[in-house]
Amino acid sequence: AQSVTQLDSQVPVFEEAPVELRCNYSSSVSVYLFWYVQYPNQGLQLLLKYLSGSTLVESINGFEAEFNKSQTSFHLRKPSVHISDTAEYFCAVSEDNAGNMLTFGGGTRLMVKP
Amino acid sequence: EAQVTQNPRYLITVTGKKLTVTCSQNMNHEYMSWYRQDPGLGLRQIYYSMNVEVTDKGDVPEGYKVSRKEKRNFPLILESPSPNQTSLYFCASTTRGTGNNSPLHFGNGTRLTVT
Repeated sequence: AQSVTQLDSQVPVFEEAPVELRCNYSSSVSVYLFWYVQYPNQGLQLLLKYLSGSTLVESINGFEAEFNKSQTSFHLRKPSVHISDTAEYFCAVSEDNAGNMLTFGGGTRLMVKP
Repeated sequence: EAQVTQNPRYLITVTGKKLTVTCSQNMNHEYMSWYRQDPGLGLRQIYYSMNVEVTDKGDVPEGYKVSRKEKRNFPLILESPSPNQTSLYFCASTTRGTGNNSPLHFGNGTRLTVT
């Protein structure tokens, strides 16, 4: 069975500083990896995903994540954060050919300070 | 507009009073799921449905029921709510056309308080 660990429950950071949100997963088969973002009082939205091919994937708002199979990680990074990036971020994994869809990590609250 | 619609957004009820949270999607998705979100625990799956008339337990199904009589609707039923079911609930859906690589589409959530 798959599982996901987000190592940091909260990450405070100043505006324009770089940030990394960590995600590790465990699975015995091929996986698909996702990052979702939840802004206050809203549902989750897909931020980016890794399905196959290039291990570095990017979102339209400057985030990127790198799939590292040997370390079973999918950390999310942004070189310079904005106040508007304040949100909760969830890493999720889906096993290939599994009947069910996604397992989520516990979430990381990114708090960007001016 | 493609969306997942949950109702109500907020609900306050008392222990033991049956309630239903509705979920509807207009994207013809086969897969639908219910999650509860609690601080520090992330999203935990309650029930999911791979298609009409097919439902399965997730990680935390106790105290909940679901039904999938139509493709677009997937209501969550609490027959006898208890205070430990106070939480933020999300419905989600996706297509299963190409396997498990399709992202989920989420509703805006239902905040339930059971006193």
